Amino acid sequence: NAGVTQTPKFQVLKTGQSMTLQCAQDMNHEYMSWYRQDPGMGLRLIHYSVGAGITDQGEVPNGYNVSRSTTEDFPLRLLSAAPSQTSVYFCASSYTGNTEAFFGQGTRLTVV
Amino acid sequence: GQNIDQPTEMTATEGAIVQINCTYQTSGFNGLFWYQQHAGEAPTFLSYNVLDGLEEKGRFSSFLSRSKGYSYLLLKELQMKDSASYLCAGETETGANNLFFGTGTRLTVIP
Repeated sequence: NAGVTQTPKFQVLKTGQSMTLQCAQDMNHEYMSWYRQDPGMGLRLIHYSVGAGITDQGEVPNGYNVSRSTTEDFPLRLLSAAPSQTSVYFCASSYTGNTEAFFGQGTRLTVV
Repeated sequence: GQNIDQPTEMTATEGAIVQINCTYQTSGFNGLFWYQQHAGEAPTFLSYNVLDGLEEKGRFSSFLSRSKGYSYLLLKELQMKDSASYLCAGETETGANNLFFGTGTRLTVIP
């Protein structure tokens, strides 16, 4: 049972480039979300989904897009990378509300 | 708006007991989570409180007072492997298990 899998683990982008961070879970969880973690700040919610075909914005959605075409996958797209998007990105999933969230191992992104 | 406060750093001795406090605004959260995060790794779940009181799970216990906007995580019989960051997180009222995190408390356990 792999849990939550994120790829890639590390990525360096140039300003203006676009890319997609992949997230997949094999636990049949309905709820998935993306967070970013920056030094001196708590994890902040970017986007979330409560099921296939449903997505919504979190606290810091600007510059990011998501889609949820299947229960398993929840990719995060950076449209035009900026240095301010340098961060560690975590994908998380949970069965429902009030339950434990399982986090992927993170993607460390550097934008130069 | 939402806000969670917890100490930035704490140091404790192996075998001792340490209490990590977390205060938050009393409105806007359904429940309170604690996660552990070792350096360079993903957060992992420790505990969840939705009702007032103490939840005990092995060496770890978590307490919640909703009226006071206060929670703590109690770690007993500290081990070196407990050196990590401990994240207090409120479950927001979106109904989607979204979490609002504090900045985390970095605990260092010394021999």
